[in-house]
Parts: sequence; structure tokens; C-alpha cells
Amino acid sequence: GAVVSQHPSRVICKSGTSVKIECRSLDFQATTMFWYRQFPKQSLMLMATSNEGSKATYEQGVEKDKFLINHASLTLSTLTVTSAHPEDSSFYICSARALAPDSEKLFFGSGTQLSVL
Amino acid sequence: GQNIDQPTEMTATEGAIVQINCTYQTSGFNGLFWYQQHAGEAPTFLSYNVLDGLEEKGRFSSFLSRSKGYSYLLLKELQMKDSASYLCAVRDGDYKLSFGAGTTVTVRA
Repeated sequence: GAVVSQHPSRVICKSGTSVKIECRSLDFQATTMFWYRQFPKQSLMLMATSNEGSKATYEQGVEKDKFLINHASLTLSTLTVTSAHPEDSSFYICSARALAPDSEKLFFGSGTQLSVL
Repeated sequence: GQNIDQPTEMTATEGAIVQINCTYQTSGFNGLFWYQQHAGEAPTFLSYNVLDGLEEKGRFSSFLSRSKGYSYLLLKELQMKDSASYLCAVRDGDYKLSFGAGTTVTVRA
């Protein structure tokens, strides 16, 4: 199956700093990538949909100025958590929609555990 | 929006069968997925149903009834490594996936 690389896998930062998370599709082109957030023992919540070359579409309640998403190429999308605060501590996961014949599936990155002190 | 319900926890014995039910109410439906997720890891794809009926893949099978808004994931010949969270997810026409809260399956020897 298709491979999605996400890094860093774990980051600890001070409150007020910004953190960038990268998501790369290694062996396929992903026109659409999705960013999810997961709090402990809860399900994945979609934050935004990222389309290559256009602005991301954010879900209701997600601050677009706080969670900056850039999808500059068909293989790379980045999520930047700006001015992070302890309540932003969570598990962030990207996923990419592959092209045919795997277009029915979403492939997930390995996730980034963000801890804001 | 999507409303997806699945049990919180299930426990079964090694070698047994477990069935995880999922009911959903959606504003748009374009497929139902099951994912397995181990703690601290990303979900991995298990199965996909878009038409009514049963899809079998090795020890795992998934069933869908669109008219009832119902699906189940059947795990046969349970192994200890099957202890994980199982996520039911519904896809809308924009390829967005909405996830249920997940069912934690514990397999005991």
C-alpha cells in the first residue's frame, strides 16, 4: 500500500512557540490531504482538508489562524501550530487520499504527539 | 454531519469471535470503513463497504446495511495482537471521513 511519512513523531515545546508538522506521501501523489487531531481515548476529529495549490478548508470550530496548513506540492502538506498552548497538546495525524486503484482508501501518517508545557 | 455510535469496550478470549457493531446517521454516505488503531499509533485500514452485504478478508469480515445505517466488524480466531481500538468511519461525498469514538477490544488468554 501507499506510504505516508509524518514527522516529527513526538515534540515537546514551550507555551507560545510554534511547531511545524510535515506529512509526505512517499510513493504517490496526494491531491488531497486531511489533518486530524485525537485526544486521549477519543476518536479522530477532522481539523481541515488540504488541497494542493489552494487554501485549506477548516472544520467548524478549528481556528485557521492558529493551525496553518500549507499544501504546496502533490507530496507535501504541513501543519503549523502557532503560539501553542497546553490545551493544544494532542496527537495529530495526517492522511492522504491516493489515486486509483487505491483511491477508495485513506493512508495515514504515523502521527505526531505534541506536548506543550 | 455524521453521528456514529459503537460500543466503548469489548473483551473476548483468544481464539474466540467478536462482533463490533456500528450504527450511523449521516447527511451524506459514500462508504463505510473500519480501521484498527494501537495506542499511540496511526490507524491502519481494515475494510471498506459501499454496497450492502458482507466483505470477507481473512480473519476479518465487515457487513453493511445502508437502509438500516448499520455495520459490523467480525473478528475471528482472535489473537492477542488483535487487542486494539477499532474505529468505524463513514465517508461523505467530499471524501471526508468521520470517525466513531472507537471500540477497545481486549483479548485475554
